[in-house]
Amino acid sequence: QSALTQPASVSGSPGQSITISCTGTSSDVGSFNLLSWYQHHPGKAPKLMIYEGSKRPSGVSNRFSGSKSGNTASLTISGLQAEDEADYYCCSYAAGNVYVFGTGTKVTVL
Amino acid sequence: EVQLVESGGGLVKPGGSLRLSCEVSGFTFSIYTMNWVRQAPGKGLEWVSSITGSSNYKYYIDSVKGRFAISRDNTKNSLFLQMSSLGAEDTAIYYCTRSSGSHDYWGQGTLVTVSS
Repeated sequence: QSALTQPASVSGSPGQSITISCTGTSSDVGSFNLLSWYQHHPGKAPKLMIYEGSKRPSGVSNRFSGSKSGNTASLTISGLQAEDEADYYCCSYAAGNVYVFGTGTKVTVL
Repeated sequence: EVQLVESGGGLVKPGGSLRLSCEVSGFTFSIYTMNWVRQAPGKGLEWVSSITGSSNYKYYIDSVKGRFAISRDNTKNSLFLQMSSLGAEDTAIYYCTRSSGSHDYWGQGTLVTVSS
């Protein structure tokens, strides 16, 4: 049950696009289509941004998109805005009926 | 409107016990798997435990097996986490979540501090 690997930080200027990677194994990301992404502003409840790898919940901006290939998933934020500055976590369902979160990525808008 | 409200956190001495609760509203509680997810100070999110709608199946992260027990009362729309033999490593904000593959709703969290 090792955490999925994410870059510690990613930054970009307003209007730019950034991509956050999430690397797991064949026991989690590679085996299940239950990869989700969460936005977490400190002091608030985390918010679901992407589920099943690439689907957006109602109300989430289409500037957020997700993809997955093999054991690696990615979250892309296009048209970066100041309000996107937050921590982002990936999460995968895994063998043994458990969930594994990523190490987290701090997104900074320059 | 879906709401999840945690309670029961606080300061507890090492080796002590605590029971967390999560009251939910706005959806049919009994058909959903519910979870506890925690975040230690300065650390990332960590899934702790899950329980299916009918309580038939319960799952735990290895580090809490034998010490934590998840349960629910579908008549009261409530989720619980009984924590015992607490250590400093259990200090965290504990979130209650609803899941159907992903954690689509979260509570605001309750802080558990284990310290002498």
